[in-house]
Amino acid sequence: AQTVTQSQPEMSVQEAETVTLSCTYDTSESDYYLFWYKQPPSRQMILVIRQEAYKQQNATENRFSVNFQKAAKSFSLKISDSQLGDAAMYFCAYRTYFGNEKLTFGTGTRLTIIP
Amino acid sequence: NAGVTQTPKFQVLKTGQSMTLQCAQDMNHEYMSWYRQDPGMGLRLIHYSVGAGITDQGEVPNGYNVSRSTTEDFPLRLLSAAPSQTSVYFCASTTFGTSGVNEQFFGPGTRLTVL
Repeated sequence: AQTVTQSQPEMSVQEAETVTLSCTYDTSESDYYLFWYKQPPSRQMILVIRQEAYKQQNATENRFSVNFQKAAKSFSLKISDSQLGDAAMYFCAYRTYFGNEKLTFGTGTRLTIIP
Repeated sequence: NAGVTQTPKFQVLKTGQSMTLQCAQDMNHEYMSWYRQDPGMGLRLIHYSVGAGITDQGEVPNGYNVSRSTTEDFPLRLLSAAPSQTSVYFCASTTFGTSGVNEQFFGPGTRLTVL
């Protein structure tokens, strides 16, 4: 079974600075997908960014980018120019490649933005 | 297009009571699932369905039943509520495919307290 580990329960960053959230995972599969979800105080789960394991290029979405290290099974999220609206819980998630939409989530990192 | 809707938003039950959490989507998605979110444990999959009439167990199915009589609806039933079922419950849906990464859309969640 796949497992996802987020070793930082809480992180904080000054507004406008850059922060990196860590995620490692364990799998025996060679093809899969990885995701970062944001959960603000409203509880809504919002997809931030996704990465296909077969792609070597790291995914980027505006101020959000990932550092995907397949051999190390590491998938970190970098938030540049942090904004107050980035304050939330962030969850890393794994999905197998073929025929199954089940997501396996990490335990989350609570990000605080310091004005 | 309302996306994924869940009712109720909040519920308090007494131990032993039964209830049904409702989930509906209007995007004609084949795949629907239920997760529970507990502090420090991320989201864990309870049950899922790949289409009308087809359901299967996830990681933590005990104490819950599901059915899928239509594409749109995927209710979650608690037959005899226990305090251990106090949690926030999320319903999600996506198109189902054997390849490609399809975004999962989450409902707003139901906060359930069992006394």
